[in-house]
Amino acid sequence: DQQVKQNSPSLSVQEGRISILNCDYTNSMFDYFLWYKKYPAEGPTFLISISSIKDKNEDGRFTVFLNKSAKHLSLHIVPSQPGDSAVYFCAASDRGSTLGRLYFGRGTQLTVWP
Amino acid sequence: DAGITQSPRHKVTETGTPVTLRCHQTENHRYMYWYRQDPGHGLRLIHYSYGVKDTDKGEVSDGYSVSRSKTEDFLLTLESATSSQTSVYFCAISESSITYEQYFGPGTRLTVT
Repeated sequence: DQQVKQNSPSLSVQEGRISILNCDYTNSMFDYFLWYKKYPAEGPTFLISISSIKDKNEDGRFTVFLNKSAKHLSLHIVPSQPGDSAVYFCAASDRGSTLGRLYFGRGTQLTVWP
Repeated sequence: DAGITQSPRHKVTETGTPVTLRCHQTENHRYMYWYRQDPGHGLRLIHYSYGVKDTDKGEVSDGYSVSRSKTEDFLLTLESATSSQTSVYFCAISESSITYEQYFGPGTRLTVT
């Protein structure tokens, strides 16, 4: 059973607008969350992370929001650019165990059109 | 970019043959991971290592074995390849279990016919 879920397989956004990618998790022990971006024929690259002691983390155009009570996080990209078109994976971990193991969602394909 | 290479980058093999994929890192990171990526499944952990000769199973370990005799190398072996193991395989490394930021290699596309 998937512990990290990305229920939208795809998202299409116009250049300059906001992209919002969503992720839900079921394991209440997860306390660290990450977003990865993946271009075709390349490995995933780390984008941004957030600890469960925070509800927001910002890095340039990328902001991650965490709602622990809803077990939900989202990635906001503002403004969206065509180069942001990629698959985005949400990942989570329980730092108290599992030796750094990450649990990934199935990914959301973001397309940013001009 | 983290110094991670994977070899081979592409491989076609026949059902029943053994296959070994190699992950090599130059970062001296302690933790190494093997994932497979399939459409509709995202990234799934096969095996991971938390030190030389220290390995453990992930969620899809059946049919796979691993070895880590040196810090820099993590080998993934398909003992007898099956068509269900056709996939893209990614290796990842992590400096510690605290930061939890894993860095991925470029991937190996394996086709089992």
